[in-house]
Amino acid sequence: DQQVKQNSPSLSVQEGRISILNCDYTNSMFDYFLWYKKYPAEGPTFLISISSIKDKNEDGRFTVFLNKSAKHLSLHIVPSQPGDSAVYFCAAYSGAGSYQLTFGKGTKLSVIP
Amino acid sequence: DAGITQSPRHKVTETGTPVTLRCHQTENHRYMYWYRQDPGHGLRLIHYSYGVKDTDKGEVSDGYSVSRSKTEDFLLTLESATSSQTSVYFCAISGTGGPGGYTFGSGTRLTVV
Repeated sequence: DQQVKQNSPSLSVQEGRISILNCDYTNSMFDYFLWYKKYPAEGPTFLISISSIKDKNEDGRFTVFLNKSAKHLSLHIVPSQPGDSAVYFCAAYSGAGSYQLTFGKGTKLSVIP
Repeated sequence: DAGITQSPRHKVTETGTPVTLRCHQTENHRYMYWYRQDPGHGLRLIHYSYGVKDTDKGEVSDGYSVSRSKTEDFLLTLESATSSQTSVYFCAISGTGGPGGYTFGSGTRLTVV
């Protein structure tokens, strides 16, 4: 049972345009959501997060939106840059759980110069 | 990340042989995790530790065991490697066990032939 779903395996975007990466979840106990970025041959690195009590969090070019009623979150990157080309993982956490992050399968973003 | 080191970085082993992967941290963090990354599956938790000699199973623990005899080292052992355990293995550390602050190592690419 996949609790965190990233239904788009890949996404291609022109440099300077907006990239929108989507994530859906099924477990209503999740109360914190994160995005990780991963380059080839490296470990994932933390990008941005959002608590379930918020609907938006912004950090520079990156904004995460959370729609709790739809159990959906999205990551917006504006403007997209070639260096943003990477695999992006959505992750979720439950404070009432066992202190584990549950990850989606990832979306590979390619930003075309 | 300089605070977390995985060894070896690459390993090829034969089916049926035991294999041990090492994760070493210099951050004195309490929580340590082993994940595997596979195409189409994202990152899945194998085992985690919440203190010296305190470990628990994750989502995909079958065929794996772990040990943590000191704060800085978390070992992952494949008792009898199988081809299905060919994967990239990531160690992560966390000071709080909470959703933020996970730092991942650079990974170990294991091939079982």
